[in-house]
Amino acid sequence: NAGVTQTPKFRVLKTGQSMTLLCAQDMNHEYMYWYRQDPGMGLRLIHYSVGEGTTAKGEVPDGYNVSRLKKQNFLLGLESAAPSQTSVYFCASSFRTGARLNYGYTFGSGTRLTVV
Amino acid sequence: TQLLEQSPQFLSIQEGENLTVYCNSSSVFSSLQWYRQEPGEGPVLLVTVVTGGEVKKLKRLTFQFGDARKDSSLHITAAQTGDTGLYLCAGVRETSGSRLTFGEGTQLTVNP
Repeated sequence: NAGVTQTPKFRVLKTGQSMTLLCAQDMNHEYMYWYRQDPGMGLRLIHYSVGEGTTAKGEVPDGYNVSRLKKQNFLLGLESAAPSQTSVYFCASSFRTGARLNYGYTFGSGTRLTVV
Repeated sequence: TQLLEQSPQFLSIQEGENLTVYCNSSSVFSSLQWYRQEPGEGPVLLVTVVTGGEVKKLKRLTFQFGDARKDSSLHITAAQTGDTGLYLCAGVRETSGSRLTFGEGTQLTVNP
């Protein structure tokens, strides 16, 4: 039972390069999320999706795009990477609102991205 | 300004000591969760509290949700080195659907 799988685990990009972070979940969760984690700032929501084919902006969406073509996959894209996007990126998934949300979010193990 | 303020940010104690971590807000939450994160891994859910005044115990960890559902605390009794990690509180506001708002976290180090 894999849970939430993120690829790659590490990546170094040059300023201006593009890349896509992949997230896959096998728990049939409806909702999926992308967060970034920076020292002293906690986890900040970038984008999220409440179902296949739908996406929405979170707190810090600028410079990122997302797609959810299949229920189990959520992709995060950086079109033109900047040093300010150096961070650890986490994907998470959950059931819908209500009592089932009390099972919490399931997180992947993260992607450490450095932009030089 | 963080919606959820955690204190302290850093805590270093000796094995066997007790500790309390606080999570405070001016907003009301429909539920509040605590996660623990170890280096190189994502956060893992410890507990969810949903009722004002609720107390939940998980072995040596005691979680409490404030009566007004604006704050929470995590108390660890007789800390062990295996308790070392980043503890995060996260809340669901009644107006935010499923989206969790996270505190900055408390980095706990338990020394042998």
